[in-house]
Amino acid sequence: SQQGEEDPQALSIQEGENATMNCSYKTSINNLQWYRQNSGRGLVHLILIRSNEREKHSGRLRVTLDTSKKSSSLLITASRAADTASYFCATDVNQGGKLIFGQGTELSVKP
Amino acid sequence: DAGVIQSPRHEVTEMGQEVTLRCKPISGHDYLFWYRQTMMRGLELLIYFNNNVPIDDSGMPEDRFSAKMPNASFSTLKIQPSEPRDSAVYFCASSSSDNYNEQFFGPGTRLTVL
Repeated sequence: SQQGEEDPQALSIQEGENATMNCSYKTSINNLQWYRQNSGRGLVHLILIRSNEREKHSGRLRVTLDTSKKSSSLLITASRAADTASYFCATDVNQGGKLIFGQGTELSVKP
Repeated sequence: DAGVIQSPRHEVTEMGQEVTLRCKPISGHDYLFWYRQTMMRGLELLIYFNNNVPIDDSGMPEDRFSAKMPNASFSTLKIQPSEPRDSAVYFCASSSSDNYNEQFFGPGTRLTVL
């Protein structure tokens, strides 16, 4: 069964706006990661946040983690048309390399 | 550096045929993962290896699926016999034990079983 559930399933915004995607999970985690998938391509790792961290930044990306609520959010600021992709959260539950992916949020950024 | 290499990129076959998907991980990576992606079920982990040894194959759908990793630079996922419900995109990914959390994905193999 899927560990992560993402919300919304699809998001459409204008270029320059911010995009926020949320991920909820069920069990305790070691860390949570976000990946991007462009249409017809493999997934690309974006950012990792550990269970003892609350917020992390990387360029235009901001990730938050609330372990008490078992949820995370990914914020993309000043979005660009090139950000159009599907975004997945993935949780590491066993420190053994295994990740469990959510269903993804499909982001469309209109120029 | 070359990324994860998968072949073929597209495969169309008829029900009942054997299908073999191939993967070459990034050199030096000691974790290898096989995933399946469909619209209905999303991205599912089928099996993963560490140092060529299968660690968790609980995601393999049934006995028709098998995976091998004979050496550190090659892995196969075989479906025999194939069925239409196996149609999906199959991804291979690899990572290093130095940073096993960051997985590098190949471009995928789009499998269509008629």
